[in-house]
Amino acid sequence: AVQLVESGGGLVQPKESLKISCAASGFTFSNAAMYWVRQAPGKGLEWVARIRTKPNNYATYYADSVKGRFTISRDDSKSMVYLQMDNLKTEDTAMYYCTTHNIHTTGIPHYWGQGVMVTVSS
Amino acid sequence: DIQMTQSPASLSASLEEIVTITCQASQDIGNWLAWYQQKPGKSPQLLIHSATSLADGIPSRFSGSRSGTQYSLKISRLQVEDTGIYYCLQRYSNPWTFGGGTKLELK
Repeated sequence: AVQLVESGGGLVQPKESLKISCAASGFTFSNAAMYWVRQAPGKGLEWVARIRTKPNNYATYYADSVKGRFTISRDDSKSMVYLQMDNLKTEDTAMYYCTTHNIHTTGIPHYWGQGVMVTVSS
Repeated sequence: DIQMTQSPASLSASLEEIVTITCQASQDIGNWLAWYQQKPGKSPQLLIHSATSLADGIPSRFSGSRSGTQYSLKISRLQVEDTGIYYCLQRYSNPWTFGGGTKLELK
């Protein structure tokens, strides 16, 4: 079964950095695009970033709200995807979900992790 | 950026009732539209992809349709377990955008 397990969340101060991780299993990780989606407390879903596969040059894409501050990366040898978050703002406070697709839903977030909470506060 | 206007924001319906939720895209997105259900404290669950295709394991009472740039999610006979918040997502172009959500409750 597909499993996505996020880790690394916590409480940080504004302007600080944090790197969250997602460990993937149950599928051929190197063939899958990976996505991060976040949800602020009591709010809706917001797509954050995505990273494509090696044949697609590991291309990355970001929401305007995080562009220039967040960096998505992956390590296919470890089946891990990361989100480096720099210059954090209070509005980045959210549950961060790691997601991916399956062979029938290419390009659509299908499988989701349980999420990791990031709180930005002084 | 493509805007996804979802309506209604909240909805109260009775058991076995037919429920329809819509998302209006600000421009053509083809069939690059998905629907999700989220229950309190849980991760979202994919219901519909490619505007009309039912995801694996999802009951057939859920269906998706498209008319131009308006997309609809229909629940044919509302069940207790269908309560939650529903979101649409367009992945036609970057940045991907979600609708604002529809909170569905039982009357």
